[in-house]
Amino acid sequence: EVQLVESGGGLVKPGGSLRLSCAASGFTFNAYAMNWVRQAPGKGLEWVSSITNSGSDKYYADSVKGRFSISRDNAKNSLYLQMNSLRVEDTAVYYCAREVQTTEEFDYWGQGTLVTVSS
Amino acid sequence: QSVLTQPPSVSAAPGQKVTISCSGSSSNIGNNYVSWYQQLPGTAPKLLFYANNERPSGIPDRFSGSKSGTSATLGITGLQTGDEADYYCGTWDNSLNIGLFGGGTKLTVL
Repeated sequence: EVQLVESGGGLVKPGGSLRLSCAASGFTFNAYAMNWVRQAPGKGLEWVSSITNSGSDKYYADSVKGRFSISRDNAKNSLYLQMNSLRVEDTAVYYCAREVQTTEEFDYWGQGTLVTVSS
Repeated sequence: QSVLTQPPSVSAAPGQKVTISCSGSSSNIGNNYVSWYQQLPGTAPKLLFYANNERPSGIPDRFSGSKSGTSATLGITGLQTGDEADYYCGTWDNSLNIGLFGGGTKLTVL
């Protein structure tokens, strides 16, 4: 059974940093691209970042470029999102999602981890 | 303002049919696959359709997906109260090199 479990969310002050993790199981992790998608309270889905299966290519939304960094450790079946210079508007539930690269859909999602940026 | 445009809400009575549109451009929907997601209240999104009109196993055939040019459409027939959810379209944008979601459509089954 495919499982994605996010962790690392919490309360942080503006300007602070946080590192999210996503533990994957039940599939060959190094065969899939992975993504982070966020959802601010009461708002819609926003794509944040993507990393290819090998980790060689990374993509970011303009809203987080230069502040967030996506990475993965295929030996540990884990995905990460390093978030620096956090802003109030980064407050959201952050989901990790598995991507099927040939047809580009997100076929499995984690349950999400809440990041709250507030003074 | 999302690059992919969806109606904010749609509604219909149980047993009726609704369609949800998703409008984009040649750099996104026009040249990439579209997927659809259902998000029930308080839960993570769930894949409803991929590759424009392919249904994952377990999704009933009351749901349909299609794409034409730079627009895509999700259809739901035989509406049930359990279909009440937010629905999102998604795709990739080749010129911006970013993933995209529509703004979401809230379905109310009256």
